[in-house]
Amino acid sequence: EDKVVQSPLSLVVHEGDTVTLNCSYEVTNFRSLLWYKQEKKAPTFLFMLTSSGIEKKSGRLSSILDKKELFSILNITATQTGDSAIYLCAVNQGGKLIFGQGTELSVKP
Amino acid sequence: KAGVTQTPRYLIKTRGQQVTLSCSPISGHRSVSWYQQTPGQGLQFLFEYFSETQINKGNFPGRFSGRQFSNSRSEMNVSTLELGDSALYLCASSLLVNTEAFFGQGTRLTVV
Repeated sequence: EDKVVQSPLSLVVHEGDTVTLNCSYEVTNFRSLLWYKQEKKAPTFLFMLTSSGIEKKSGRLSSILDKKELFSILNITATQTGDSAIYLCAVNQGGKLIFGQGTELSVKP
Repeated sequence: KAGVTQTPRYLIKTRGQQVTLSCSPISGHRSVSWYQQTPGQGLQFLFEYFSETQINKGNFPGRFSGRQFSNSRSEMNVSTLELGDSALYLCASSLLVNTEAFFGQGTRLTVV
């Protein structure tokens, strides 16, 4: 059965901390892995990863994919309260996205 | 450029009724997918349309259906509503099938 597993499920940190969110997958017909941030309603696109070992970076966020070990990590450095959200990992299986449960991140001032 | 637009934002229906939700993708995007999000099941894939054709379907009963028009706008329909259909319905728009997917704000459906 295809599955995407995220860990931890929830995390509480203080402003300025660095966090690492994990996503492992067992999905047939893998095309890409995507990360989203969901605050209130719409998941907001962060990254799409297709190749192993190539880091994608946007400001304080970065992500990398390991297609041999079937996992990805999302790093957030110097966290801010505005980073509080649910972070979703999804694997594109030929157009269909299979989502993990999400990691709920809470950043305290 | 405008994002993905879903209407209505909120909807309350009674059991047994049917409902139609609408999604306008980002201009130029040809692929539209629909997802159901609930606290218990998370985000689950309903179906995907590309150039007016359904190209992918999730594991939902036949009460859930959809279509895409020539301008790429999409609608999804749920007939004979059940209490368990209460959820946030999200539409995602992609330029092509395997490119980045961008989500709309969703339609919050409550079935009473």
